[in-house]
Amino acid sequence: EAQVTQNPRYLITVTGKKLTVTCSQNMNHEYMSWYRQDPGLGLRQIYYSMNVEVTDKGDVPEGYKVSRKEKRNFPLILESPSPNQTSLYFCASSFGPYNSPLHFGNGTRLTVT
Amino acid sequence: AQSVTQLGSHVSVSEGALVLLRCNYSSSVPPYLFWYVQYPNQGLQLLLKYTTGATLVKGINGFEAEFKKSETSFHLTKPSAHMSDAAEYFCAVSVWNQFYFGTGTSLTVIP
Repeated sequence: EAQVTQNPRYLITVTGKKLTVTCSQNMNHEYMSWYRQDPGLGLRQIYYSMNVEVTDKGDVPEGYKVSRKEKRNFPLILESPSPNQTSLYFCASSFGPYNSPLHFGNGTRLTVT
Repeated sequence: AQSVTQLGSHVSVSEGALVLLRCNYSSSVPPYLFWYVQYPNQGLQLLLKYTTGATLVKGINGFEAEFKKSETSFHLTKPSAHMSDAAEYFCAVSVWNQFYFGTGTSLTVIP
């Protein structure tokens, strides 16, 4: 089954404790991206990747890191999480950023205390 | 700068009534346009997309949207609402290498 898999689904952590949210897709997509969803703000793009070893900042990259060492994986790293990073996070992928629609994972709900 | 505006964060309709969810965009170049639906505790699913060609686009579950360049709009409609349509709906544009989403419209269907 074609899918984008995120783990974990739920994560509670404390301020400053490094964490990684994994994302994997099995559709051979070139383009992958991360979003955070907050009430009243919709989805905002954190980082995106056009291909392996090519990443770029989205609209809200502060406090996040990503890497794209393999085509199928695109982990999101929070080196020192803070409470304002409490949010619902989505990974998505597509064949390209233009007319190819995004396929989304089921989300990771992160709480930073 | 690119932006997407969805008018109405909450819309309520009666079962069987017309659904109209509004989306306006601003873009410096011709955009690609999408509507997504999100059910509770799930990711977003594609409803329909406009890339080029016919401006009236049909999607899944009886939804359709019309691209109006002169009005910079891409409103979503469905002739007859069903209880299963209750969800959050997001309009999105793809410009250059990024996707931009609206703030979403929560649709409630009243039996």
